[in-house]
Amino acid sequence: DTAVSQTPKYLVTQMGNDKSIKCEQNLGHDTMYWYKQDSKKFLKIMFSYNNKELIINETVPNRFSPKSPDKAHLNLHINSLELGDSAVYFCASSSQRGQTGEAFFGQGTRLTVV
Amino acid sequence: QQQVKQSPQSLIVQKGGISIINCAYENTAFDYFPWYQQFPGKGPALLIAIRPDVSEKKEGRFTISFNKSAKQFSLHIMDSQPGDSATYFCAASKAAGNKLTFGGGTRVLVKP
Repeated sequence: DTAVSQTPKYLVTQMGNDKSIKCEQNLGHDTMYWYKQDSKKFLKIMFSYNNKELIINETVPNRFSPKSPDKAHLNLHINSLELGDSAVYFCASSSQRGQTGEAFFGQGTRLTVV
Repeated sequence: QQQVKQSPQSLIVQKGGISIINCAYENTAFDYFPWYQQFPGKGPALLIAIRPDVSEKKEGRFTISFNKSAKQFSLHIMDSQPGDSATYFCAASKAAGNKLTFGGGTRVLVKP
């Protein structure tokens, strides 16, 4: 039973298209994140939601819009895709009430814009 | 401006050897320092973490050393095994459960 699952795992699309990535966690965590991993493997926070409320938006273009319908889900919608958006996007979750605060990551969505 | 700097970028070690990865941070508000291990095609997974009130933490073959005054911490992998070949990331956050600021990653290759 996967703790943090995201779909799809691979996404190939043309420039200018709009696409969405979905994420679900079954850990009962109150905080969810989107991270972007670029071609050099550098991982950077994009967004953070706590109890469905946006708490972090790290200078991400407006074309990226996260949406959290409930505490267990955090989706990422990307408009007008650009070549530079090609990367691996990771969803993660953690609990700010827990003792360890461990962040659990999904398997990633490899987005390729052609 | 990279708040967490990690070195080296890559490392080759013989089976049974010691892998050492170093990280330095700038923000003194950080108080949670985890290390993540990532295999190709997978998401990062927590390996071991430390808080600044201790100088060392050991779990099996993995040890974190922490130097608060120097704002540095390191990961030692003892008796390195081929299965340890992965990319390792240090990270820091202002509290456990908060957003993570990652180092640039170290690709470790353990040769049999």
